Formats: sequence, structure tokens, C-alpha cells
Amino acid sequence: EPEVTQTPSHQVTQMGQEVILRCVPISNHLYFYWYRQILGQKVEFLVSFYNNEISEKSEIFDDQFSVERPDGSNFTLKIRSTKLEDSAMYFCASSEGSGTNTDTQYFGPGTRLTVL
Amino acid sequence: GNSVTQMEGPVTLSEEAFLTINCTYTATGYPSLFWYVQYPGEGLQLLLKATKADDKGSNKGFEATYRKETTSFHLEKGSVQVSDSAVYFCALSEDYGQNFVFGPGTRLSVLP
Repeated sequence: EPEVTQTPSHQVTQMGQEVILRCVPISNHLYFYWYRQILGQKVEFLVSFYNNEISEKSEIFDDQFSVERPDGSNFTLKIRSTKLEDSAMYFCASSEGSGTNTDTQYFGPGTRLTVL
Repeated sequence: GNSVTQMEGPVTLSEEAFLTINCTYTATGYPSLFWYVQYPGEGLQLLLKATKADDKGSNKGFEATYRKETTSFHLEKGSVQVSDSAVYFCALSEDYGQNFVFGPGTRLSVLP
């Protein structure tokens, strides 16, 4: 069964450094998403991406964040200057974009980001 | 805006006990409703979904019925197992391509 993959599984970085989290969505999917989950808290939406551009973003997704689909398979989240409060599990998801509201999002296993 | 409320737990049950995790939602339109499960150290896995009123989603012995009149989507299982210990998230989506709104999650611990 096709699945969303994410690398790395765990990233440790120093405050102020840039990180890139990578995702490979399911191959025939058209919509891509990033969510984050601060330890012990709820899953929060960051951004959605369709047709090579951001379709929606939350207030969390400020100027330090960016997303890119650099080739036909990868979908990346860049955090330009990490802060301690960016420490969280980051989940990538993808969906078919079926044109109905039955569109299911499939999640990757997550990347745990630790900012020291 | 849209929101999802669920009992936060933790919920601790003995094996073979009956499980109910309540979930209610607020939405402007007619959302699809989902339950996701997160096992320790893992990502989010789709457990079941329902896309319109009175639909029942089911998987692995879990069930939930979309109740428009009470704006609820309660998760139930007749007999839980130790392997069901996880965090369960209720979520909604208004439309395709739209972000999911998640509830806070309910941690379930099943004791042998």
C-alpha cells in the first residue's frame, strides 16, 4: 500500500539554524500538507499546497517557514531561523484532491524536531 | 471557525471493556469526519471516516456514526485490547484540499 514517507525521523538543531524537513507524498496525490504537534498537544495545521503554490496557511506559518516542491516527488518544509518553540513533531500529509469532501489525508510518520 | 472537541482523558480501561470516546464538532457547512489513531512513537493513521449524516464508519472493531442533529461522531468499541492503547484524534474537513481540524486527542490505556 502506498504511503507518505518523511526524512529524517529526528532532527536536532541549534537555535537560529535553518532546517529542511523532507516528505515524499503518495505519488498520484495532488494536495500536500504540513502539520505540527508540540509534545502532548493537539495537531495543528501549518500549510497546504496545490498546483505548485500555497493554497492555505495558518497563522503559525509565518515568514520563517516556507514550502517547496523541488521535483516531482519531494515536498519540503524549511524553517529559516529555528526557535526553541519550534520543537515539535512535524507531519506531512497528502490527499488525492478528489473533488469531493470525502478527500482523506494520509499522514507520514513524522519528523521530530528538537531545537537546542 | 470550525472546531472539534473531544474528551481529553486519559481513559484507562481493562481488557475487554467497552470504549466510548466522545467527539463533537462545530462547522459552518457539511464536513467529513474522521478518527485517527497515534500509537506510541508513531504517526497518525486513519482509523475510520464518515462523509455524511447517519453514515457509520467502522474498522478493526471500532465504529462511529455521523450524527448531524447532535453534531457528534463518538468512537466506540465493544471490547478493547491492550494493543488498542494509543492516542485517538477526532478530526473534520470541510472540503477537499482543505486543512483538517483536529481535536486535542484522547489517550487510551488498556490494562491486561
